[in-house]
Amino acid sequence: DVKVTQSSRYLVKRTGEKVFLECVQDMDHENMFWYRQDPGLGLRLIYFSYDVKMKEKGDIPEGYSVSREKKERFSLILESASTNQTSMYLCASSRTSGGTSTDTQYFGPGTRLTVL
Amino acid sequence: AQKITQTQPGMFVQEKEAVTLDCTYDTSDPSYGLFWYKQPSSGEMIFLIYQGSYDQQNATEGRYSLNFQKARKSANLVISASQLGDSAMYFCAMIPMNTGFQKLVFGTGTRLLVSP
Repeated sequence: DVKVTQSSRYLVKRTGEKVFLECVQDMDHENMFWYRQDPGLGLRLIYFSYDVKMKEKGDIPEGYSVSREKKERFSLILESASTNQTSMYLCASSRTSGGTSTDTQYFGPGTRLTVL
Repeated sequence: AQKITQTQPGMFVQEKEAVTLDCTYDTSDPSYGLFWYKQPSSGEMIFLIYQGSYDQQNATEGRYSLNFQKARKSANLVISASQLGDSAMYFCAMIPMNTGFQKLVFGTGTRLLVSP
C-alpha cells in the first residue's frame, strides 16, 4: 500500500513565524503535491514537484515555498506565517501525472495549521 | 479547462441501503481519468476508485462502483450496502490524459450521512 505521512496532524504557530510542513512518501513516486483545503473553496494546489530539486507553482503559491532534496520528501515552507494561512494542508504523491490509473494521487493525513 | 460539478451538497442514507453520489464533468479533452475520494472527519483524503475514459467496463472496487456515462459526461459513485463508517465527504476529480503535467481538478464534494 502507498503510504504518505505528514509530520504533524495539528500545528499552532504565531504570526510571523517560519513554518515547515514535512511530507514523506514510501512508494518511489515521481510527483508530489501540496494542497490547502478551506471550507467553500475546496482543494487548491499550492506547489508540486515532478522530480528531485524540481518544483512548479500551483494555483496559489504566494506566501509559500517548497523544497524537494530527496525523492521521498517534499517540504512546504511558510516564510512568515499569517492568519490567512490558517487551513488544512494536504500532501499527495503520484507515480505519473496524466489521467491513467497510475496517476492516482495518494494523500497524507493532513495537517491542520492554526496561525494566531 | 476542466470542471467537475457535484450538485448534492448533502445526502442521507440508511445503513445497508445503496446510495448514488452524482458527478458531472466538463472537458474538451478526448481522454481523461476520473477519480473518487472519501474524506472522513479526520481529514485524510482516501482514494476509492478510478475510471479511465476509454475503459469499456464500469469500474468496481468492493462496495464501490462507478456508473460511467461518457455521452452524458457523468461519473456517479454508487455505494452498495452503506455502513456507518461511510459517513464522510466524497469528492469527484479528473485529470486529462495530455502530455506534460496535468492538474487534478476536484468537485466541491458531497457530504454523506449514514444513519442506523
